[in-house]
Amino acid sequence: QSVLTQAPSVSGTPGQRVTIFCSGSRSNIGSDSVNWYQQLPGTAPKLLIYSHNQRPSGVPDRFSGSKSGTSASLAISGLQSEDEADYYCAAWDDSLNHWVFGGGTKVTVL
Amino acid sequence: EVQLVESGGGLVKPGGSLRLSCSASGFDFSNYNMNWVRQAPGKGLEWVSSITSRSSFIQYTDSVRGRFIVSRDNAKNSLYLQMNSLRDEDTAVYYCARQYSSSHDYWGQGALVTVSS
Repeated sequence: QSVLTQAPSVSGTPGQRVTIFCSGSRSNIGSDSVNWYQQLPGTAPKLLIYSHNQRPSGVPDRFSGSKSGTSASLAISGLQSEDEADYYCAAWDDSLNHWVFGGGTKVTVL
Repeated sequence: EVQLVESGGGLVKPGGSLRLSCSASGFDFSNYNMNWVRQAPGKGLEWVSSITSRSSFIQYTDSVRGRFIVSRDNAKNSLYLQMNSLRDEDTAVYYCARQYSSSHDYWGQGALVTVSS
């Protein structure tokens, strides 16, 4: 049971916009930065979004993040086949005093 | 270029021990907090342990506290995870990850640890 809650899967067609949601609480998303990681099949996770909505250098602007209260979301616009991956949200939890991750959302491009 | 390379994974019997290493290059290792994150087969990511840049503050997830020991050698640009009293449920790919501000910005390729009799 993950501290942060994500839907197991989401799908879309090429060019479509899909949104992945992450639900937490006041002690994590509600009080700290939210990060998103992309894990392509068979590879290590890669930082996609940090501090709710900041993209590291090299991440396409098709990826965008936002936060509202104790929830966060990752949007992928102009979905491409290479976006098929697992996406994880993460945050520091002030009550548990450690990092927490969502269970991951698998994005399938139809 | 930032690189993190894990080594030391393998097959170990329940109750056994294993030591993972993470070799860092391309950045000033001594200035960064480091983390271990694991992923059981077919499962999500789970934070395991953190160590500050000077080893002054160390944290563990509850399930490994008292069994795992994280350490680092800044002179050798290396991070370690000593895993003792291993259990079946410790089977996972173990990643080392650099912590930058409030995120993990670089990850290694991972080391597979299999605990099985």
